[in-house]
Amino acid sequence: GQQLNQSPQSMFIQEGEDVSMNCTSSSIFNTWLWYKQDPGEGPVLLIALYKAGELTSNGRLTAQFGITRKDSFLNISASIPSDVGIYFCAGRLIQGAQKLVFGQGTRLTINP
Amino acid sequence: DGGITQSPKYLFRKEGQNVTLSCEQNLNHDAMYWYRQDPGQGLRLIYYSQIVNDFQKGDIAEGYSVSREKKESFPLTVTSAQKNPTAFYLCASSEDRVSNQPQHFGDGTRLSIL
Repeated sequence: GQQLNQSPQSMFIQEGEDVSMNCTSSSIFNTWLWYKQDPGEGPVLLIALYKAGELTSNGRLTAQFGITRKDSFLNISASIPSDVGIYFCAGRLIQGAQKLVFGQGTRLTINP
Repeated sequence: DGGITQSPKYLFRKEGQNVTLSCEQNLNHDAMYWYRQDPGQGLRLIYYSQIVNDFQKGDIAEGYSVSREKKESFPLTVTSAQKNPTAFYLCASSEDRVSNQPQHFGDGTRLSIL
């Protein structure tokens, strides 16, 4: 099926550093979603993006819907220990389509 | 509180046994989904349902079955035909089949083989 290329696969950073991760595809998406998953729990929605070029913030998190509609990035500023987890991007290929395509995830580890 | 409830949290299956995972939502969402997550991997779609009494196969439906008799419930049966069932199973729902609203997830069921 369709693939989203999410990078990096893992990150090891110091507390207080900024984080950046992204998802790219050869296909055009109409919606980009970013989720965070803690161990043993389900993914929690962080940010939803619906228009090309859209830049949306949620506290220390900022995400953008790429102009080409084939990519999206997520930035986390001033990381704190509770940011640890796996971050997933997900996209919808067709307006209103219910199926999501997921990236492989970025595992974030923070050294205090 | 509104949300998605999956049960049980942990489930063990014997060889040749069918097991059923429960998913209930009180969000009044039309669409519901089942995903499988293996260690270090993303989510893969097993089945989804856009409306009561209707469902479609996802990317990895073989060895699984579902039903959607009620709007709030979407149980998943892992049959004996699924030879590698050990995984983390996630249920999700979204508002309806025409809107662009995101999917929201339950807390998952971890299935293991005895």
